[in-house]
Amino acid sequence: GPKVLQIPSHQIIDMGQMVTLNCDPVSNHLYFYWYKQILGQQMEFLVNFYNGKVMEKSKLFKDQFSVERPDGSYFTLKIQPTALEDSAVYFCASSPTGDTQYFGPGTRLLVL
Amino acid sequence: GQQVQQSPSSLVLQEGENAELQCNFSSTATQLQWFYQSPGGSLVSLLSNPSGTKHTGRLTSTTVTKERRSSLHISSSQTTDSGTYLCAIDLDTGYQNFYFGKGTSLTVIP
Repeated sequence: GPKVLQIPSHQIIDMGQMVTLNCDPVSNHLYFYWYKQILGQQMEFLVNFYNGKVMEKSKLFKDQFSVERPDGSYFTLKIQPTALEDSAVYFCASSPTGDTQYFGPGTRLLVL
Repeated sequence: GQQVQQSPSSLVLQEGENAELQCNFSSTATQLQWFYQSPGGSLVSLLSNPSGTKHTGRLTSTTVTKERRSSLHISSSQTTDSGTYLCAIDLDTGYQNFYFGKGTSLTVIP
């Protein structure tokens, strides 16, 4: 089936540094999403992105977070600066029409 | 409040037994997906079923939209079915964002 890739699979950084999580969505998909899952807790929606714009974001999407997809390349989630509570697995998803979403394998972020 | 509630929270079966997982949601859902999350954390979409009944392999999902509930039936369970099953819904906000339940942790023992 369609595959979403995420790079890197793991990232360890010091608190206060910037991190960029990369998502390679399924080609020809138009809707993109980021979700966050803290260890042992449920998956939570962060943001969705369509036509070059953020369409909706949750209260978890802090001011330190930003997303973009320059020139149809990776869909990125940038956190600057990072905080300890940002440690989690971040899942990217894409969808052709906004119904069925296809998820990547996740990036495990550890902020020290 | 909790938008998606799943039950049971955990389930232990003997290999070959059937499993019935429940998902109840508090608002109108225009989209509903069942996912499998492996012990390593990877997420796999199993079924997209906003209404009616769908089958794939040993999985059957039945969603009754008016009653805001969905079930996932796993027949003839195998040890490789062990993991967490997540129900996720889109709340018809105009944009498609999934709200996830806390999942049902399934353990199938040989």
